Formats: sequence, structure tokens, C-alpha cells
Amino acid sequence: EPEVTQTPSHQVTQMGQEVILRCVPISNHLYFYWYRQILGQKVEFLVSFYNNEISEKSEIFDDQFSVERPDGSNFTLKIRSTKLEDSAMYFCASRALLLAAKYNEQFFGPGTRLTVL
Amino acid sequence: AQSVTQLDSHVSVSEGTPVLLRCNYSSSYSPSLFWYVQHPNKGLQLLLKYTSAATLVKGINGFEAEFKKSETSFHLTKPSAHMSDAAEYFCVVSDLGTSYGKLTFGQGTILTVHP
Repeated sequence: EPEVTQTPSHQVTQMGQEVILRCVPISNHLYFYWYRQILGQKVEFLVSFYNNEISEKSEIFDDQFSVERPDGSNFTLKIRSTKLEDSAMYFCASRALLLAAKYNEQFFGPGTRLTVL
Repeated sequence: AQSVTQLDSHVSVSEGTPVLLRCNYSSSYSPSLFWYVQHPNKGLQLLLKYTSAATLVKGINGFEAEFKKSETSFHLTKPSAHMSDAAEYFCVVSDLGTSYGKLTFGQGTILTVHP
């Protein structure tokens, strides 16, 4: 069964450093998402991406964040200058077509745990 | 704007007894509703989904949920809990009328199953 993969599973970085979190969505999916879950809190939407551009973003997704689909298979989240409060589990998700309701389901990767020291 | 409220942060049951995890939603348009489960140190797994077909939805591992528009509820149930059901459960809404399918998560309910 196809699945979303994410690398690395755990990333430790120093405050102020740049990090890139990588995701490989399911191959025929067209919509891509990043969510994060700070320890003990609920999962929060960060950004959605469609047709090579951001379609929606939350207020969390400020200028320090960017997303890219560099080669048609990978989907990356970059944090330019990490802060302590960026420590969280980051989930990538992908979804097929928008139009048919049965395709609403988003498939999640296993997550990358980011620890900022 | 869409939102989800999970009415219990923790639910504790004995193995073999019924499970009820409560969820109320708010949505401007006809919503799609989901229940996801997260086992410790694991990712999010879809349990079941409601997408405007049958109001009683059956999912994996014996779970089911009923969509009640009049009550704006989507409670998750299981007739008989198993030890392996211990996990955190998230009620989730997707409001396609106003977004590209952004998911809004509830706060989560931690289910504990006692022997």
C-alpha cells in the first residue's frame, strides 16, 4: 500500500540554525500539507500546497517558513532560523483530487520530531 | 470557520466494555469528518471518515461513528474495548467550501484501557 514517508525521523538543531524537513508524498496525489504538533498540544495546520504554490497558510507559517517541491517527488519544509518554540513533531500529508468527496482523506507520514536546543 | 471540540480529554475503560469518545463540530459548509488515531511514538492513522454518504460510518478495528447534523456531533464508539485500543484519538473536520481541504483537529482524547 502506498504511504507518505518523512526524513529524518528525529532532528536536533541549535537555535538559529536552518533545518529542512523532507517528505515524499504518495505519487499520484496533488495536494500537500504540513502540520505540527507541539508536545501536549493539538495538531495544527501550517500550510497547504497545490500546483506548485501555497494555497493556504496559517498565521504560524511566517517568513521563517517556506515550502518547496523541488523535483516532483519530494516536498520540503524549511525553517530558516529555528527558535526554541519550533520544537514539535512535524507531519507531512498528501491528498488526491479535491472534487470528489471520497478523496478528502489525507494520508499522513510518520512525522519528524524537531528538537531545538 | 471550522472547529472541533472533543468533550473529554481522557477516557478510561475496562477491557471488554464499550468505548464512547465524543466530538462536536462547527462548519460553514457541508463538512467531511474524520477520526484519526495516534499510538505512542507513531504517526496519525485514519480510523474512519464521513463524506456525506451514510450517516453511520464503520471504520477499522471495530470502531464506528454516527454523523448527526441536528446535534453537530460525530461521536466515536466501539462495543468492546481491547488493550490495543489505548491511544490518542483525534476528531477532525475538513471544510471544503472555504479551503483546500485544510484539516482542523480537535484537542484529542486519550483512551486508557484497563485489564
